Amino acid sequence: GAVVSQHPSRVICKSGTSVKIECRSLDFQATTMFWYRQFPKQSLMLMATSNEGSKATYEQGVEKDKFLINHASLTLSTLTVTSAHPEDSSFYICSAGGGAITYEQYFGPGTRLTVT
Amino acid sequence: QKEVEQDPGPLSVPEGAIVSLNCTYSNSAFQYFMWYRQYSRKGPELLMYTYSSGNKEDGRFTAQVDKSSKYISLFIRDSQPSDSATYLCAMSATRGYGQNFVFGPGTRLSVLP
Repeated sequence: GAVVSQHPSRVICKSGTSVKIECRSLDFQATTMFWYRQFPKQSLMLMATSNEGSKATYEQGVEKDKFLINHASLTLSTLTVTSAHPEDSSFYICSAGGGAITYEQYFGPGTRLTVT
Repeated sequence: QKEVEQDPGPLSVPEGAIVSLNCTYSNSAFQYFMWYRQYSRKGPELLMYTYSSGNKEDGRFTAQVDKSSKYISLFIRDSQPSDSATYLCAMSATRGYGQNFVFGPGTRLSVLP
């Protein structure tokens, strides 16, 4: 399967600051990227779907002004958590899709965000 | 009722055992059914996928889908300690702007040597 990287793998930031997480598809062109959030012992929750060159589509209950998503190229999507608060602390995982088979998505290794 | 429900586990089995992991769902629009394996602090890795009802086998893994009962299963034969991980079922349905992926909460499996 395709290789997807995320950077950073772990970040600690102070409350009120913004944090950017990068998701890169290393060996295939991802027309669609997904951003998920995962709480301990809970399922992945889809936050938003982004298609290259267009605005992201956010799931109900996800604040688009707080979680800014940019998908400027077929290999890079970024998630910026703005004005982070401790309740934003979580594991954020991206996945890349867009192959011929519509179910396909390849996950990055995740980013652990801790807001102090 | 949650859209996807999964036996919570944790599940501990001896090496060599047959493992059965299950999920039920409520949305009849789901078309694709996947099983992912997630090691601690890593992203999920796709193990198996099926489209519609039926069985699919890949090595020691067999995935079953019964759309009439809205029930899917993953069987692992001859389980190994390296199979110890959290297993997530996932389902998707087509919607206006792409696929709607929904994941189960995961079952933590420990295979004891």
